[in-house]
Amino acid sequence: AQTVTQSQPEMSVQEAETVTLSCTYDTSESDYYLFWYKQPPSRQMILVIRQEAYKQQNATENRFSVNFQKAAKSFSLKISDSQLGDAAMYFCAYVEGASGTYKYIFGTGTRLKVLA
Amino acid sequence: DGGITQSPKYLFRKEGQNVTLSCEQNLNHDAMYWYRQDPGQGLRLIYYSQIVNDFQKGDIAEGYSVSREKKESFPLTVTSAQKNPTAFYLCASSFLTGGNQPQHFGDGTRLSIL
Repeated sequence: AQTVTQSQPEMSVQEAETVTLSCTYDTSESDYYLFWYKQPPSRQMILVIRQEAYKQQNATENRFSVNFQKAAKSFSLKISDSQLGDAAMYFCAYVEGASGTYKYIFGTGTRLKVLA
Repeated sequence: DGGITQSPKYLFRKEGQNVTLSCEQNLNHDAMYWYRQDPGQGLRLIYYSQIVNDFQKGDIAEGYSVSREKKESFPLTVTSAQKNPTAFYLCASSFLTGGNQPQHFGDGTRLSIL
């Protein structure tokens, strides 16, 4: 069965600095997608970034980028120029491609604190 | 604007009572999902549905029931058999294209025991 592991329950970063959140996953599939979702104190789940497994190029969205290592089954999120509004829970998620069951597998989350 | 609406935002349950959480979407999504979130834990899948009148159990379906009579609606009933219902409940929806179109989430319902 597929699993998603976030080994860092909590991380802290100074405002304007860079932080990397780790995520590893286990699957025997070759066609899948990976996501990072942000959950601020409002509890709303917000999609941060998405990576297709068949793409070697790492996805980027403004200050957010990923380091996707397919062979190592690693999918880390880098936040550059951290802002106070980045403080939130961050969840890594996996879903199989078009032939899958469409069940998303979520990690247990990393709480990010941003220090002023 | 398209989106997912969950109601109510807060819900209280008395002992032995069934309560129903509403989830409606106008995104024309095929699939809908219910998750439970407890403090310090990730999202755990309760039920999901890929098509009207069909749904599958997730990882923690015991004590819960769902229906999917309309594409837009996927209500979740927390029955009296669920002995520890206090949690934050999230509804989500997506197209049936795997991760090509990601899940969208509602704002959640917080359920507490009176």
